[in-house]
Amino acid sequence: DAGVTQSPTHLIKTRGQQVTLRCSPKSGHDTVSWYQQALGQGPQFIFQYYEEEERQRGNFPDRFSGHQFPNYSSELNVNALLLGDSALYLCASSSPSRNSPLHFGNGTRLTVT
Amino acid sequence: AQSVTQLGSHVSVSEGALVLLRCNYSSSVPPYLFWYVQYPNQGLQLLLKYTSAATLVKGINGFEAEFKKSETSFHLTKPSAHMSDAAEYFCAVRSLNYGGSQGNLIFGKGTKLSVKP
Repeated sequence: DAGVTQSPTHLIKTRGQQVTLRCSPKSGHDTVSWYQQALGQGPQFIFQYYEEEERQRGNFPDRFSGHQFPNYSSELNVNALLLGDSALYLCASSSPSRNSPLHFGNGTRLTVT
Repeated sequence: AQSVTQLGSHVSVSEGALVLLRCNYSSSVPPYLFWYVQYPNQGLQLLLKYTSAATLVKGINGFEAEFKKSETSFHLTKPSAHMSDAAEYFCAVRSLNYGGSQGNLIFGKGTKLSVKP
């Protein structure tokens, strides 16, 4: 049973560029969340998708956007990249129940130069 | 607003010694609490979760945590540390549900555990 898979594993971009990160949830999960983890910090919530809609959003600018597809997979898009966007981006999936834990992928390491 | 505070950004123990990683939470409602572990260059793996069923929660790899409402704490312990326990540990609280959706996780800043031979 495959867990949460993310691609690519590493990415290097230049300031001002745009990037798309991809995530496939664990089998049986229909809720996908994205987190940003800066070096030496805990993960920070970006947004959550359920039924192809953004259900919750953290304190991130509109440059961060996402999408969920009918097969529950998801994309995170970041426009106009800044140096401060360099981080590990983690995708997590879960079932919709309130106490369902999040299952995380191994993340995409984004470096903005 | 809910929050989590992890006391001690670095903890070092000897192999075989007790591991104690501290977590205090702030929540206006009964919380759902989690401990995750992160090994280098990997994502987060769930160690255990508290969802109000029992105050002492047992997790994987010999870890356990005790929910103490009076102290608003959820400390993580393991009786005997192994070298393989060296990693970063994150405590998290689930935010309040709103709009019927599942609340997101609010993480502490993490505690890096080192295990000396």
